[in-house]
Formats: sequence, C-alpha cells, structure tokens
Amino acid sequence: DARVTQTPRDKVTEMGQEVTMRCQPILGHNTVFWYRQTMMQGLELLAYFRNRAPLDDSGMPKDRFSAEMPDATLATLKIQPSEPRDSAVYFCASGLQDTQYFGPGTRLTVL
Amino acid sequence: GIQVEQSPPDLILQEGANSTLRCNFSDSVNNLQWFHQNPWGQLINLFYIPSGTKQNGRLSATTVATERYSLLYISSSQTTDSGVYFCAPGGNGNQFYFGTGTSLTVIP
Repeated sequence: DARVTQTPRDKVTEMGQEVTMRCQPILGHNTVFWYRQTMMQGLELLAYFRNRAPLDDSGMPKDRFSAEMPDATLATLKIQPSEPRDSAVYFCASGLQDTQYFGPGTRLTVL
Repeated sequence: GIQVEQSPPDLILQEGANSTLRCNFSDSVNNLQWFHQNPWGQLINLFYIPSGTKQNGRLSATTVATERYSLLYISSSQTTDSGVYFCAPGGNGNQFYFGTGTSLTVIP
C-alpha cells in the first residue's frame, strides 16, 4: 500500500532554530506539494514541484523558507530561522496526473 | 487563484441521516478533488471528479463544471464520517485550491 511518508511527525523547537522537514513521495508520482495548515488560515499551498523542478513557491516566505527535491524520492522544506508564527501542521502531498495523496503531516511548534 | 466557498461550514447529524455538502468555485477548472480530514488530522482522498458523478459506497459526488459547483452526498452517515470535508478545485498544472471545509459531526 503506497503512501507518502513525512518525518518528523512532531517537532518542538525554539525560536531562531533551523527546522528541516522531509517527505518521501509515492514512487512514480511526478508532482510534490507542500502545504501548511493552521486554524486561522486553513490549508495554504507553500510550494510545488513537477519532475523535481519547482513550479510555484509564491506561497512561501522567501526570506526564511526553502523547498528542494534533491532526488525523486526526497523533498525537503526548511525554515531558518524559525519563528513562533510558523507553528502549524505541514503536509506533503504527491500526485500523478490530476490527483493528490497526502502524507500524515509534521506538527511544528516553535516556542 | 480560484476562490472556493464551501457550505455549510458546520453540520451536525444524527447517525443514519443523509447530507449534502456544496462547493462553489470562481473559475473554470480542469480538476476537482474531495478530501476528508479525519479527527486525527489525516487527509484522505475521496474523489477525483472534474465533471459528472461518481459513487463510492455511501458517498457520491457530482460536479457541474459549467455552473462551477460540486456536491458531495453522504448517505446513512456513521460516526466515522466525522471530520472536515474539503473541496479542492484545480486549474492547469496540478495546482489545487482548498476551501475552508465543512466540519461534520455525526452523533450516535
């Protein structure tokens, strides 16, 4: 049963620290998405890739966030430096054609 | 981007009741998905339905793309149906736009 995996599942860190979240997309999927979910803003698209190339990262604060796909089996989302307002659940999703399948999310708490 | 409105925002049902959730969107779309976020936070893909009608067990969905809306029907609701239902229409390029969801609570 193919699934999107994300690590870590939970992360508590202090303001100013670097945070790296990882995602393993479903094998064979050619698109990868990063979303952030908060109570106030709901689900926001941060960035997405097709065939490992970034297509849109306009939803991402450029000064502190970066997203990469070093290879087809790994996508990363980094925050440096982290701030309390970054506290949220970060979801990765992968897709093929016109569907998306979500990972379990990383719950980030920045103190 | 595409604006998405979902209604109702909240819904409480007695177990066994039926319901219809609605999603209106502001522009022409090539794709549309319905997701269920369960109480543990997992987002589960229910339907990919850019047009027409599909059924899966007690759930069915209809999209009328020309009129820019989609409906999700839940029949004989169960407590396990509780959670938030998201509609996500998409344009070109696999980008999807999420609504604010309908929060469903099914009580026994």
